[in-house]
Amino acid sequence: QQPVQSPQAVILREGEDAVINCSSSKALYSVHWYRQKHGEAPVFLMILLKGGEQKGHEKISASFNEKKQQSSLYLTASQLSYSGTYFCGTNRGSTLGRLYFGRGTQLTVWP
Amino acid sequence: GAGVSQSPSNKVTEKGKDVELRCDPISGHTALYWYRQSLGQGLEFLIYFQGNSAPDKSGLPSDRFSAERTGGSVSTLTIQRTQQEDSAVYLCASSLVFAGGRTDTQYFGPGTRLTVL
Repeated sequence: QQPVQSPQAVILREGEDAVINCSSSKALYSVHWYRQKHGEAPVFLMILLKGGEQKGHEKISASFNEKKQQSSLYLTASQLSYSGTYFCGTNRGSTLGRLYFGRGTQLTVWP
Repeated sequence: GAGVSQSPSNKVTEKGKDVELRCDPISGHTALYWYRQSLGQGLEFLIYFQGNSAPDKSGLPSDRFSAERTGGSVSTLTIQRTQQEDSAVYLCASSLVFAGGRTDTQYFGPGTRLTVL
């Protein structure tokens, strides 16, 4: 039930774009994106809900394809501060609140 | 502060000893979660509390692990007879819960780094 993230790692120059994908074998109600910097707690970025409602971070966008059970996180004009490990967490819409997290995508932005 | 707090931030213990890890959720958040993160790995779900409902313990790796939440607020994760493979960062998160039981964004605490020698 753990979602699959791809790619495992990305290396960018400042100003370049990146896409991180998250796919599940199960029907999803919501997808949650987090970024974690080394030695720190994961920080919420964005939540995507079934039905299209989206909220989150200004400079980072995401999509949620309910049919394909996939979500993609789009990082445009990347900044040094974008470096970190990105996790997607999926919720299947039951009354239970647990999220199933992917293994993470390590993003490194170089000047 | 208004965030999730955890204590201690670091814990070094000897194999076979018991440890207790504490989590103070954000005030008003009725849902509380424990996760474990081993070096370079993702977030492994351990247990979830929601209000007065029975906790979801499906992620606890063995009966050496237990958790409780007193008064609907503070939670303690206890690991008995610690093993070296228990070494990891233990993260706590809390969230609001909407009518119908679906949960909102989870906010994470800074974690407790447990090292078992």
